[in-house]
Amino acid sequence: QSALTQPRSVSGSPGQSVTISCTGTSSDVGGYNYVSWYQQHPGKAPKVMIYDVNKRPSGVPDRFSGSKSGNTASLTISGLQAEDEADYYCCSYAGSYPWVFGGGTKLTVL
Amino acid sequence: EVQLVESGGGLVQPGGSLRLSCAASGFTFSDHYMDWVRQAPGKGLEWVGRSRNKANSYMTEYAASVKGRFTTSRDGSKNSLYLQMNSLKTEDTAVYYCAREGVGAMRLAFDIWGQGTMVTVSS
Repeated sequence: QSALTQPRSVSGSPGQSVTISCTGTSSDVGGYNYVSWYQQHPGKAPKVMIYDVNKRPSGVPDRFSGSKSGNTASLTISGLQAEDEADYYCCSYAGSYPWVFGGGTKLTVL
Repeated sequence: EVQLVESGGGLVQPGGSLRLSCAASGFTFSDHYMDWVRQAPGKGLEWVGRSRNKANSYMTEYAASVKGRFTTSRDGSKNSLYLQMNSLKTEDTAVYYCAREGVGAMRLAFDIWGQGTMVTVSS
């Protein structure tokens, strides 16, 4: 099972929006509506920000949103804030495997 | 408070063994699938293995990279998850996280993570 493909880095200024893509195959992203996104600050454990493609756990700001089209999922962060600077990982259920992660994207808030 | 606390990491020589522990608290341990996820230094997250819940007979699954070398198990009386790692290789060097899969609406996502424990495989 190959890792999902994410851009290595993205950046944006405070208040702007950024979108991080996550490309897989029909065996993972395209085959299930179980894509989740995790935020990881340096030296910390990951934290779930989005699950089931576009659902936010309680406590996650509504500035974070998710979507999916075909084999590609996306995480959009609007109204960027300094504390959003972190690494972001997508993850997809893949059936019998069962989990595959993306390579991670470093978000820099300029 | 819902919490996962890993322990047991350390330095081990190639070919050696190590057993990691993950102590769970604040929730009904037997209801949840539990997973191990690792992160090599400066690298991304990699799923390692999974223990299904009691309703699914605690069945286990493993990534191809560790199958046959790693084994995950549980002790319900201690609310603990374990990862027995044998025949360790230098490429197994990573922070190992214990993660809980949710139930209900968040059944297929990792909703709680431990703080991680570092495993270094080196001579």
